[in-house]
Amino acid sequence: GDSVTQMEGPVTLSEEAFLTINCTYTATGYPSLFWYVQYPGEGLQLLLKATKADDKGSNKGFEATYRKETTSFHLEKGSVQVSDSAVYFCALSDWGQGAQKLVFGQGTRLTINP
Amino acid sequence: DTAVSQTPKYLVTQMGNDKSIKCEQNLGHDTMYWYKQDSKKFLKIMFSYNNKELIINETVPNRFSPKSPDKAHLNLHINSLELGDSAVYFCASSQEEAGNYGYTFGSGTRLTVV
Repeated sequence: GDSVTQMEGPVTLSEEAFLTINCTYTATGYPSLFWYVQYPGEGLQLLLKATKADDKGSNKGFEATYRKETTSFHLEKGSVQVSDSAVYFCALSDWGQGAQKLVFGQGTRLTINP
Repeated sequence: DTAVSQTPKYLVTQMGNDKSIKCEQNLGHDTMYWYKQDSKKFLKIMFSYNNKELIINETVPNRFSPKSPDKAHLNLHINSLELGDSAVYFCASSQEEAGNYGYTFGSGTRLTVV
């Protein structure tokens, strides 16, 4: 089946540093791609998405571009804040058993120090 | 108003007991899901229902039985709880085409089996 691989965490950065979290995928079709964020003690929240090749998703200063040629969807932010500390999940939409579901990567824990 | 609400938030129980987790969504979505998040934060789909009909049933022990009385509710009943069932269980909902809209998650139920 389809799968998602994220860079190993944890990632620790100083405030205002540049962030990249790598995400690559394997898929037989043309999935939509997502980044979700999970703050401590909370559920996952959709951060951004892209539905076709070369689309760029963006939200709250975060960006990711759907790269079909490299099967990647890396998350970037130019200047991180302490409040960005969370676990980030890359995901793709996959068809299985005649229905659509999200398949998640293993998550990357991000800690931003002041 | 909470979009996807789960109860209880925390559940501590002994091995062998039977317990239920409830989920309700007020978004008017057609599809609901149960995901399990293990101690390493890995998320895996368990079940999906569309308009009260089971459409995805991943490899989950028969001790887990979902029930959807209507399209706004999806409950999870677990029989004969085992230590390995300890995890955070997330309910989610989506409009039918999850590939375009992603999911809305509840805040999770932390189940601890002792």
